[in-house]
Amino acid sequence: DAGVTQSPTHLIKTRGQHVTLRCSPISGHKSVSWYQQVLGQGPQFIFQYYEKEERGRGNFPDRFSARQFPNYSSELNVNALLLGDSALYLCASSFSLAEGSPLHFGNGTRLTVT
Amino acid sequence: RKEVEQDPGPFNVPEGATVAFNCTYSNSASQSFFWYRQDCRKEPKLLMSVYSSGNEDGRFTAQLNRASQYISLLIRDSKLSDSATYLCVVVGSSNTGKLIFGQGTTLQVKP
Repeated sequence: DAGVTQSPTHLIKTRGQHVTLRCSPISGHKSVSWYQQVLGQGPQFIFQYYEKEERGRGNFPDRFSARQFPNYSSELNVNALLLGDSALYLCASSFSLAEGSPLHFGNGTRLTVT
Repeated sequence: RKEVEQDPGPFNVPEGATVAFNCTYSNSASQSFFWYRQDCRKEPKLLMSVYSSGNEDGRFTAQLNRASQYISLLIRDSKLSDSATYLCVVVGSSNTGKLIFGQGTTLQVKP
């Protein structure tokens, strides 16, 4: 079975542009979460979606938005890119919201903003 | 104060050594804890859950001290393949799967 897949794997954008990152969860998983990982730091929670509804939002500006589609895939959008948005963006899926439900991460999208 | 704190290291140890990592968390109401492993430029992968009674998986032992709000990971008989960053993780809220990650502790096992 395919794991969590993310696209694109790498992306270079300039300041002020916007970007859309995509994620397909493991088949059967209904929850998708997004994390930002800056070099040298642990991943930081951005959003969580479950059954197409937002269930959690981290401490990120409104420039960050996301949605989940009926097939449980998800998009993360970032507008008005800043240099500080350069990071590895990780998508993770899980079967449910239960605390013990393990997260499975995709390989990530490495975004560079110049 | 960060919600989850770890010593970033790096820890440089010879093969066969025993190494321990500690992690502290700020929210006393936290109920679920994990250790994830992340290889260079790869995604994090679940290493093990951490239970109040402590748990062991081969050479790896995880322990939780709720009174002191800290979590530990012990690796015995280190292998070269154990070289990675180890992330301490706390579940942030009981009705979501939000994970709060520590900064990570880098381990380098040398021959």
